[in-house]
Amino acid sequence: EAGVVQSPRYKIIEKKQPVAFWCNPISGHNTLYWYLQNLGQGPELLIRYENEEAVDDSQLPKDRFSAERLKGVDSTLKIQPAELGDSAVYLCASSPGGTVEGNEQFFGPGTRLTVL
Amino acid sequence: AQSVTQLDSHVSVSEGTPVLLRCNYSSSYSPSLFWYVQHPNKGLQLLLKYTSAATLVKGINGFEAEFKKSETSFHLTKPSAHMSDAAEYFCVVSYFNKFYFGSGTKLNVKP
Repeated sequence: EAGVVQSPRYKIIEKKQPVAFWCNPISGHNTLYWYLQNLGQGPELLIRYENEEAVDDSQLPKDRFSAERLKGVDSTLKIQPAELGDSAVYLCASSPGGTVEGNEQFFGPGTRLTVL
Repeated sequence: AQSVTQLDSHVSVSEGTPVLLRCNYSSSYSPSLFWYVQHPNKGLQLLLKYTSAATLVKGINGFEAEFKKSETSFHLTKPSAHMSDAAEYFCVVSYFNKFYFGSGTKLNVKP
C-alpha cells in the first residue's frame, strides 16, 4: 500500500514569491491534515479536512495561506506571498476518519521550504 | 481541553541502557494516545498507540508504553537502547480526529 505522497520534497524561493505544496493521501482516507513544523518543535496543525470540507482551519493564516481539497482526495497548500518566517517543513498526514477509536495518522515525508 | 506535556526536551543514554521518555496528558475525554518517532530529515512514524484496551502497549523496535489513568501519564520505555534509536519522539493525544502534539524529546544514544 502506498503511503502519503508529498511533492516537492524541497523548495527554495525568494520572499514575496508564491509557492504550492501537493499531497496525495492514502487511498480511502477521508481525513487530511496539513501541519507546519519548525526546527526543533512539534507539528502545528494548519488545516484539517473531512473529505472535501475544511472542518478546522482556525490556525491557518488566511491572509497568505490557502488550501483546497477538490473531490476529497489530494490537496494543495499555497502560500502567496511567502515570507522569511515561513521557512519550515510542511507535513501532510491522513487518517481513515470517522469516529473509530484509535484512528492513527499516517505522515508524508514533508516539504522543506526555505525562503531567502 | 486536551494537551500534552513531554517532560524532557533532551534525554541522553548509553547504548544498551534503558530508555524512559516521559509524557503527561490532560483530556476531558477518554483519550487515544500515540508515540511517534522522527529520524533526522524523515517523516513521522508511528511507534505505538493506546486506545482503551490493555494499558501496557507494545510497539515496534522493542518500545512499549504504559497508560496510567491515575497519573495521566503515558511514558515510553525500552529496556536496551540502540544507536539507531537516536531520534526525536513525540507524544500525541487524540480525540475525534484532532491530534495534539507534545513538544518532542530528542533522544541521544552514546556508544
